[in-house]
Amino acid sequence: EVQLVETGGGLIQPGGSLRLSCAASGLIVSNNYMSWVRQAPGKGLEWVSVIYSGGSTYYADSVKGRFTISRDNSKNTLFLQMNNLRAEDTAVYYCARGSGNYDRENFYYYYYMDVWGEGTTVTVSS
Amino acid sequence: DVQMTQSPSTLSASVGDRVTITCRASQSISSWLAWYQQKPGKAPKLLIYKASSLEGGVPSRFSGSGSGTEFTLTISSLQPDDFATYYCQQYNTYPYTFGQGTKLEIK
Repeated sequence: EVQLVETGGGLIQPGGSLRLSCAASGLIVSNNYMSWVRQAPGKGLEWVSVIYSGGSTYYADSVKGRFTISRDNSKNTLFLQMNNLRAEDTAVYYCARGSGNYDRENFYYYYYMDVWGEGTTVTVSS
Repeated sequence: DVQMTQSPSTLSASVGDRVTITCRASQSISSWLAWYQQKPGKAPKLLIYKASSLEGGVPSRFSGSGSGTEFTLTISSLQPDDFATYYCQQYNTYPYTFGQGTKLEIK
């Protein structure tokens, strides 16, 4: 069974840093497309970042330059390093595995998120 | 960015009803659209991918359709477990974007 477990959330002051972890079982993180998605209290879902199996990364404009996605192959774990945190970063952070649809016309894989962790809560407040 | 707009924002319905949720994209996303169900305090659950493909283990009363800019999620006969919030999400272009959600309530 594939399982993702996020940890590392907590209360942090504005301007501070936090590193979230997503430990995987039943899948190899380095062989998969892995994302972070967040949800502010009472709000909808917001995609944050992705890392491809090949190592390419993408970020939402709202976190670009402040957040870094990475992985530790030996620990089979995905990370999200969050620096210079702001009140608007307060949210539940989910990690998710992506599965790909191959587009034969464009020779490209399009990834949707099929397995999600239960999330970890980050609160940025003084 | 591709804007995703869902309607309605809230939907009241009864067990056994057929309901449809609409999702519109601000530009064409081909068929690269997913639907998720989320219950309070829980992670989203994938229902539909590639606009109309049913994820394994999801009941067949859920179906999706559409392409380009207009998509629908239909639940053919509502069950008590279906009352939740539903989100569409495009995965055609970065940044991936979600609709604002549709809360399905018991009438």
